[in-house]
Amino acid sequence: DTGVSQDPRHKITKRGQNVTFRCDPISEHNRLYWYRQTLGQGPEFLTYFQNEAQLEKSRLLSDRFSAERPKGSFSTLEIQHTEQGDSAMYLCASSALLGAGSRNTIYFGEGSWLTVV
Amino acid sequence: AQSVAQPEDQVNVAEGNPLTVKCTYSVSGNPYLFWYVQYPNRGLQFLLKYITGDNLVKGSYGFEAEFNKSQTSFHLKKPSALVSDSALYFCAAANNFGNEKLTFGTGTRLTIIP
Repeated sequence: DTGVSQDPRHKITKRGQNVTFRCDPISEHNRLYWYRQTLGQGPEFLTYFQNEAQLEKSRLLSDRFSAERPKGSFSTLEIQHTEQGDSAMYLCASSALLGAGSRNTIYFGEGSWLTVV
Repeated sequence: AQSVAQPEDQVNVAEGNPLTVKCTYSVSGNPYLFWYVQYPNRGLQFLLKYITGDNLVKGSYGFEAEFNKSQTSFHLKKPSALVSDSALYFCAAANNFGNEKLTFGTGTRLTIIP
């Protein structure tokens, strides 16, 4: 168990550029989540996948944001035409799917810091 | 809509003293409650969770939390604080209706004074 892995850890980009973050969940975790955390705030939910299916998206996830999990393993989060307001830490998390009505622990990665200049 | 409140932005405790970090929640149905810790420029580390059963939950690094349904609280506690406990602590909640979204509080910065 190597934990949730995120890459890159830090990204500085110019406004208007596109950026992509990658997340590798804990092996055999079939649920994968993306959260965003800005300074002084708690993480905010963006979206989550069960296997390759994207089951829910937050209203925070504008049309410039897209997330994929094509083979049900790693996931990517792409932000197009970045704006300064996108500067934040993007956290990926994963959990295992238990039976109906069960709840497993959600484990977070180290996060990917985005600075838009 | 569910919400989590952490009423204290900052808590200072002398090393060796007991500590409490407060959390109250509002969710529909039965709550699932979590505590995470965050060190500078790092992600979130899981400490403990309440799903059902015993109201006193024990977690990592000697932390525990008490679920109080009537007060809708889930306070984090530790009998004897260590300087290494200094960090940012987040309480989070979800409901039991298949809602996978964790709602987080704004965090409490815990500083242990040597």
